[in-house]
Amino acid sequence: KQEVTQIPAALSVPEGENLVLNCSFTDSAIYNLQWFRQDPGKGLTSLLLIQSSQREQTSGRLNASLDKSSGRSTLYIAASQPGDSATYLCAVYRGTSYGKLTFGQGTILTVHP
Amino acid sequence: KAGVTQTPRYLIKTRGQQVTLSCSPISGHRSVSWYQQTPGQGLQFLFEYFSETQRNKGNFPGRFSGRQFSNSRSEMNVSTLELGDSALYLCASSPGTDNEQFFGPGTRLTVL
Repeated sequence: KQEVTQIPAALSVPEGENLVLNCSFTDSAIYNLQWFRQDPGKGLTSLLLIQSSQREQTSGRLNASLDKSSGRSTLYIAASQPGDSATYLCAVYRGTSYGKLTFGQGTILTVHP
Repeated sequence: KAGVTQTPRYLIKTRGQQVTLSCSPISGHRSVSWYQQTPGQGLQFLFEYFSETQRNKGNFPGRFSGRQFSNSRSEMNVSTLELGDSALYLCASSPGTDNEQFFGPGTRLTVL
């Protein structure tokens, strides 16, 4: 059974800091991994998708890496802003036979002005 | 392109009632998945539909059911509501199998 763990559970940083969110998964046989952002009471916004054959993806101030063999992914946020405050979720997808994303519990990020 | 839409956005029901939630995927997307999100359990997979067929189902009781129409719109139904069914229900769509998934804003269901 695939399990996804995110560390830390919560993070509070001052504006401008670079930060790293961690995600680990128990079964390395994944098809892809997605990072999402969720604002309170809202749906999920897809940030980055990394295919299993890729090592990293970048979008603006965000960079996500994937090490499938060790079952780890990191989301790097550069020059954090108060608007980055949200819950960040990682989810792994194992392919059509499983047909679902398995989510971690999320990291609650607060960026102080 | 319009995103994934879900209706209604908020619902209040009482125990024992039934409810139907609707999801319209992004145009051209054929796969629709449903998830339940609660503070205690996080995000849990309910079911996935592709071309009107249920391909995968999560570990939920039979009170939870769904279907997909020929235009890829999907509905989920919960019968005999229980207090524990109170949650945010999220729908996600993707172009096909093994693709990036895009989520809607969710339907907040409160069972009294």
